Amino acid sequence: ETGVTQTPRHLVMGMTNKKSLKCEQHLGHNAMYWYKQSAKKPLELMFVYSLEERVENNSVPSRFSPECPNSSHLFLHLHTLQPEDSALYLCASSQGGGLGEKLFFGSGTQLSVL
Amino acid sequence: GQQVMQIPQYQHVQEGEDFTTYCNSSTTLSNIQWYKQRPGGHPVFLIQLVKSGEVKKQKRLTFQFGEAKKNSSLHITATQTTDVGTYFCAVSNTGNQFYFGTGTSLTVIP
Repeated sequence: ETGVTQTPRHLVMGMTNKKSLKCEQHLGHNAMYWYKQSAKKPLELMFVYSLEERVENNSVPSRFSPECPNSSHLFLHLHTLQPEDSALYLCASSQGGGLGEKLFFGSGTQLSVL
Repeated sequence: GQQVMQIPQYQHVQEGEDFTTYCNSSTTLSNIQWYKQRPGGHPVFLIQLVKSGEVKKQKRLTFQFGEAKKNSSLHITATQTTDVGTYFCAVSNTGNQFYFGTGTSLTVIP
């Protein structure tokens, strides 16, 4: 266990559904991240939160909406997704102090959009 | 975001052979990290390199950072089946932003 827990592990949703992905870290870190991992593509940074404030939004479509209510929890709200959004969504955390940190990843949510 | 290219994309080796993956950037990097992702798993941090020309070893794994800090390599000596997975380099130039390379998928044939 890495100290970063993601739920659910698998999710199947239709294009008109609304769902949320949850991430919780038990490491006392101050920064949390959402990454998207598609087949044959590198890990894509979606959102970064540091001390609960969003510091990076990597041109992600508005159908993905992040929420960080405190430094231990991170959500990704999904609505009206497209089939090409099917991917592994990984949450990660780091201490949040700057350079020299390492990322701790959760096990991911495998999302399928039908 | 920062772009880093990794080669090769795929590598198949016989167990016992060596393996190397390379990470290249067009810009000077402040540091570089390496992660390993087992099939069906999530990326796990291996190491970070910071200094120009730095070399670090972890058992059969050797990590190098180029003199110009624009490239890095990961070399595995005498591969084992437990080495199977995808190896990613990652760069972070402004603190809380980590950008990953395209990854090298390693298959070890027993």
